[in-house]
Amino acid sequence: GNSVTQMEGPVTLSEEAFLTINCTYTATGYPSLFWYVQYPGEGLQLLLKATKADDKGSNKGFEATYRKETTSFHLEKGSVQVSDSAVYFCALRGNAGNMLTFGGGTRLMVKP
Amino acid sequence: DSGVTQTPKHLITATGQRVTLRCSPRSGDLSVYWYQQSLDQGLQFLIQYYNGEERAKGNILERFSAQQFPDLHSELNLSSLELGDSALYFCASSVGMGGRAETQYFGPGTRLLVL
Repeated sequence: GNSVTQMEGPVTLSEEAFLTINCTYTATGYPSLFWYVQYPGEGLQLLLKATKADDKGSNKGFEATYRKETTSFHLEKGSVQVSDSAVYFCALRGNAGNMLTFGGGTRLMVKP
Repeated sequence: DSGVTQTPKHLITATGQRVTLRCSPRSGDLSVYWYQQSLDQGLQFLIQYYNGEERAKGNILERFSAQQFPDLHSELNLSSLELGDSALYFCASSVGMGGRAETQYFGPGTRLLVL
């Protein structure tokens, strides 16, 4: 079946540091890939998505590139802010079935 | 604000009881999805409804059931509750049946605590 593996957190960074959160997946065919963010006490918000190989999703300074050869979709941001502190979830939707399969989530803590 | 609403926000109940969680999708969305977020299992898909019909089923227990009404709101019924059912239950909606690129918009969740 489909699965998503994320680096375990928490990830603690200073403000303006570079962020990478690793995400790899296992799926048959050509899944769509997503990053969702969950701020404290809130639901999940879509951060970005990519639907085919080599697509780059981007939003609010975050980027992720769909790499089929390495089955990865790593999240990056050049300069994090305290307001980026949240839990980040990598997810995929495969060819069969409409549900999202999520990774375990990575907590990011950004210190001033 | 995603436009998806869930009630109640918090629910505390006892083992063996039954509860109903309610979800209203975004205006115009026909699909509703239910997910469970727990510490040990992470975020797991439970069930999807599209325009009133069950569309896809995931790891949903037999003690759990759901339905989508003609006005498109959905209810998740959890019965014979156990301590392990304590979790955050999310509802999400999307405009269509759930194609590969279709975005699911999540509600704020209902936090269930079973004592």
